[in-house]
Amino acid sequence: RKEVEQDPGPFNVPEGATVAFNCTYSNSASQSFFWYRQDCRKEPKLLMSVYSSGNEDGRFTAQLNRASQYISLLIRDSKLSDSATYLCVVNDPGGGADGLTFGKGTHLIIQP
Amino acid sequence: DTEVTQTPKHLVMGMTNKKSLKCEQHMGHRAMYWYKQKAKKPPELMFVYSYEKLSINESVPSRFSPECPNSSLLNLHLHALQPEDSALYLCASSQTYNEQFFGPGTRLTVL
Repeated sequence: RKEVEQDPGPFNVPEGATVAFNCTYSNSASQSFFWYRQDCRKEPKLLMSVYSSGNEDGRFTAQLNRASQYISLLIRDSKLSDSATYLCVVNDPGGGADGLTFGKGTHLIIQP
Repeated sequence: DTEVTQTPKHLVMGMTNKKSLKCEQHMGHRAMYWYKQKAKKPPELMFVYSYEKLSINESVPSRFSPECPNSSLLNLHLHALQPEDSALYLCASSQTYNEQFFGPGTRLTVL
């Protein structure tokens, strides 16, 4: 059974602070990793893919540690608009299209 | 056009009704998906279509019946649903079998 584990939070963080989330996955053969963001009563939106070498997009940095099977997301200089649920997502492609396995999400609240 | 569209946005139906959810994408994606999401839970995969053929059915009850008329369209036919089927139904598509892009969802209430 494929599993993705996240701390559900909530993380209450003051505006401007740096916040980090981790996520672990159970399938060592997993190949693709993502962070999605979901606002209340909206659809998940792709925030960023996570590459083995790590990647950065503005204030957001994602890291992958295959040896320990965890993925991280760092948000610097947090904004009020960053308040959302952050979903750690893993895809284990078996040669065709496969659905994504979602973590339960980490709820982030940025406070003014 | 980088959108996945879904209709209707909201649907209320009785347990004896038959209704359909529709999803459309014009990104040339060859894989399309249906997910079900209950409140405060992550999305759960229901069906996967790859090149217009059903490739994954995650043991979904037969009262949910997917259909892929062409590479841009995906339907979910609903019949004799139960109140516990009330949820947000999300459609997604992907090109590379990696990043998936979601539609806004249909919020379904079964009375």
